[in-house]
Amino acid sequence: EDQVTQSPEALRLQEGESSSLNCSYTVSGLRGLFWYRQDPGKGPEFLFTLYSAGEEKEKERLKATLTKKESFLHITAPKPEDSATYLCAPRSGAGSYQLTFGKGTKLSVIP
Amino acid sequence: NAGVTQTPKFQVLKTGQSMTLQCAQDMNHNSMYWYRQDPGMGLRLIYYSASEGTTDKGEVPNGYNVSRLNKREFSLRLESAAPSQTSVYFCASSPRTGVEQYFGPGTRLTVT
Repeated sequence: EDQVTQSPEALRLQEGESSSLNCSYTVSGLRGLFWYRQDPGKGPEFLFTLYSAGEEKEKERLKATLTKKESFLHITAPKPEDSATYLCAPRSGAGSYQLTFGKGTKLSVIP
Repeated sequence: NAGVTQTPKFQVLKTGQSMTLQCAQDMNHNSMYWYRQDPGMGLRLIYYSASEGTTDKGEVPNGYNVSRLNKREFSLRLESAAPSQTSVYFCASSPRTGVEQYFGPGTRLTVT
């Protein structure tokens, strides 16, 4: 059974204080790992797709990286507008199109 | 482009009532999905449609039915609502299966 664990559950940062969010996964033959941002009361917004270990993607203050067991979302010098819940979702290669979503990390950036 | 739109935004039902949640996308995507999101749990797939004319069960299909009306529209029907179906429902679409999905704003459903 595919499993995804995101940590920490919640993270409070001061504006400008860099940190990382973790996504640990156990899936059969990873066929991609997706990162989303979700603001309260809204649908998830797509951020990145990573396909192979060692791959990195960047967007503004966010950088996502992938290893064979984990993915990290690094946030550099965050701003209050980066406050949101960040979701990761690996896709198994075991003949399924389904994504397995983690419960998310709720990030709060304090001015 | 509106992206993915969902109606209604909010709905309250009594146990046993039926209703249909509507979803439409204007991105010419082939694949569409219905998820539910509950507190303390990740998004769970209810049903998906890999392409027009096909539908398949996801992780939690019991109590739901879907219809892929055309390439743009994918509806979710609750035939006899139960309190356990109280949730936030999201529709999503993607160019094809296995790639990034784009989500709608959600429908908050309460069953009393």
